[in-house]
Amino acid sequence: NAGVMQNPRHLVRRRGQEARLRCSPMKGHSHVYWYRQLPEEGLKFMVYLQKENIIDESGMPKERFSAEFPKEGPSILRIQQVVRGDSAAYFCASSPMSGSRTGELFFGEGSRLTVL
Amino acid sequence: QKEVEQDPGPLSVPEGAIVSLNCTYSNSAFQYFMWYRQYSRKGPELLMYTYSSGNKEDGRFTAQVDKSSKYISLFIRDSQPSDSATYLCAMSSNRDDKIIFGKGTRLHILP
Repeated sequence: NAGVMQNPRHLVRRRGQEARLRCSPMKGHSHVYWYRQLPEEGLKFMVYLQKENIIDESGMPKERFSAEFPKEGPSILRIQQVVRGDSAAYFCASSPMSGSRTGELFFGEGSRLTVL
Repeated sequence: QKEVEQDPGPLSVPEGAIVSLNCTYSNSAFQYFMWYRQYSRKGPELLMYTYSSGNKEDGRFTAQVDKSSKYISLFIRDSQPSDSATYLCAMSSNRDDKIIFGKGTRLHILP
């Protein structure tokens, strides 16, 4: 299966712990987007990365959240010192070029974070 | 005012009916317009993509963009129970690479 792979699919953390969400884009895709989805709020843009570069992180909270997309390996969304408000589904999407030009982002099935 | 407004529904229609889904937006720089479909517990998938104003048809789906009114629509003809899902509009501009999504409309097609 050459689709976008996200893991873990479900993650439970206690307040104050760290959450790491991983995303392996489709083969040949060098552009990765992260979105957060809360019930009744739709998909909210967080960050857009190309290999080794953060292109746009205007949707990321200034504290506790970080993202990377190294030359080798998956993209990682890291949330430090999680709080209950971080509970959400986090979706990763990839594209072979800037998604805004083609309109087509290929989404993974999401990672559902629950903070106790 | 939010950049993209979309009625969350739910919208329930009988099988075979024509469905009309809509979004309005405030950013006049948007030029690329998309509709995604999301089934429960799954990631969104692209249905339609249009550039600037006009219509685009693909099978039972038609997307319309009216940039003068900042209004986009998705029509589904001969709706099927398998069309039951959440439909999200999305849009982007030439100024940056963000794709902004609406909240999504939950659609139920009643057999």
